[in-house]
Amino acid sequence: AQKITQTQPGMFVQEKEAVTLDCTYDTSDQSYGLFWYKQPSSGEMIFLIYQGSYDEQNATEGRYSLNFQKARKSANLVISASQLGDSAMYFCAMREAKGAGGTSYGKLTFGQGTILTVHP
Amino acid sequence: NAGVTQTPKFQVLKTGQSMTLQCAQDMNHEYMSWYRQDPGMGLRLIHYSVGAGITDQGEVPNGYNVSRSTTEDFPLRLLSAAPSQTSVYFCASSYASALNTEAFFGQGTRLTVV
Repeated sequence: AQKITQTQPGMFVQEKEAVTLDCTYDTSDQSYGLFWYKQPSSGEMIFLIYQGSYDEQNATEGRYSLNFQKARKSANLVISASQLGDSAMYFCAMREAKGAGGTSYGKLTFGQGTILTVHP
Repeated sequence: NAGVTQTPKFQVLKTGQSMTLQCAQDMNHEYMSWYRQDPGMGLRLIHYSVGAGITDQGEVPNGYNVSRSTTEDFPLRLLSAAPSQTSVYFCASSYASALNTEAFFGQGTRLTVV
């Protein structure tokens, strides 16, 4: 079963509008972390935002915010005031706590990605 | 800061050839990993390492070998290239002791097997 599901292969948004990219996850761990990465056409992977499973508030980083709904196991990325430079592939990823004492070994599981296109 | 250095950036191989993708990081990260990226499938974990001398298989390990003789280096070896290994490969590193630690990625290697 997919641990991370991104159901939107492609999304379109008008410049200056907000857009939500969906991500649902599946885990039986109580302790886990959720990440969003951006991959522009140049190919590099850029870290955007992180949400911990025990964080009570939704994470925010500038124009990026994470709509975390734990009971629904969703971690949607909201980009406000879209810019042309936001056009890229976006990946949701999860790290589960594994090992003795819940130590994380760094393993990230990625979703399929969503291609966002910002129109002028 | 160099971060994660991955070479080469592009490579074309003939079926049956072998090669090594190089990955080095200068952040003293314990955890290093290799992913392959294919259209519609996101990034899939090939192999990973939690420290020098320790490696383990990820989701799609067949056809690939790794070793970790130092903290800094984590090469990925293709033993006998197949067209199914045509993909973009990423090396990543991070600290291994906290959930919220960011993974740093190399620039990627676009590999074509003909």
